[in-house]
Amino acid sequence: SQKIEQNSEALNIQEGKTATLTCNYTNYSPAYLQWYRQDPGRGPVFLLLIRENEKEKRKERLKVTFDTTLKQSLFHITASQPADSATYLCALPYTGTASKLTFGTGTRLQVTL
Amino acid sequence: DTAVSQTPKYLVTQMGNDKSIKCEQNLGHDTMYWYKQDSKKFLKIMFSYNNKELIINETVPNRFSPKSPDKAHLNLHINSLELGDSAVYFCASSQDSRNTGELFFGEGSRLTVL
Repeated sequence: SQKIEQNSEALNIQEGKTATLTCNYTNYSPAYLQWYRQDPGRGPVFLLLIRENEKEKRKERLKVTFDTTLKQSLFHITASQPADSATYLCALPYTGTASKLTFGTGTRLQVTL
Repeated sequence: DTAVSQTPKYLVTQMGNDKSIKCEQNLGHDTMYWYKQDSKKFLKIMFSYNNKELIINETVPNRFSPKSPDKAHLNLHINSLELGDSAVYFCASSQDSRNTGELFFGEGSRLTVL
């Protein structure tokens, strides 16, 4: 069955450092992958989409990579700030069903001063 | 202006009761969804409607009945509530069901069944 794995343990880093979150998937051949941010008590908010033919995508301090051979995406936040503290979710479409977006369990990021 | 709004935000009720959650989107999107986020924060799709037509119906008990009166609204009615139904229910929308469009989520409706 299709499975998405994110590190369930919280990631604690110091302000100014680069945070790197991992999303691994199995039994998928997704055409794209998305990353969302979720704050406590709020709905997820879309951050970035990367397609299978793109190795890397950037948006301000965010960078996403997509390795279809390793079946892995890395999500980087450079010069992290306490305001970046949140849970980050990766999401992939079920194979052949673009409208059926499946989410990983998310990784909680805590950025401290 | 709130893009995807759902009400109520909090719902506390007894087992066996029936309750509804309403959702509206003002983005002009064709596709709307209901997701359930359990206590372990796992976000799982329940239903999807495209232009008022049901296109995704996951393995959800038939006590859950979605209804889309028009493409801007998607409501969720739950009959005979059980303890295990306690969760946060998120409504979302996307431009359509075919492209790689992002999902726009509401703020969630936290349902607690006592």
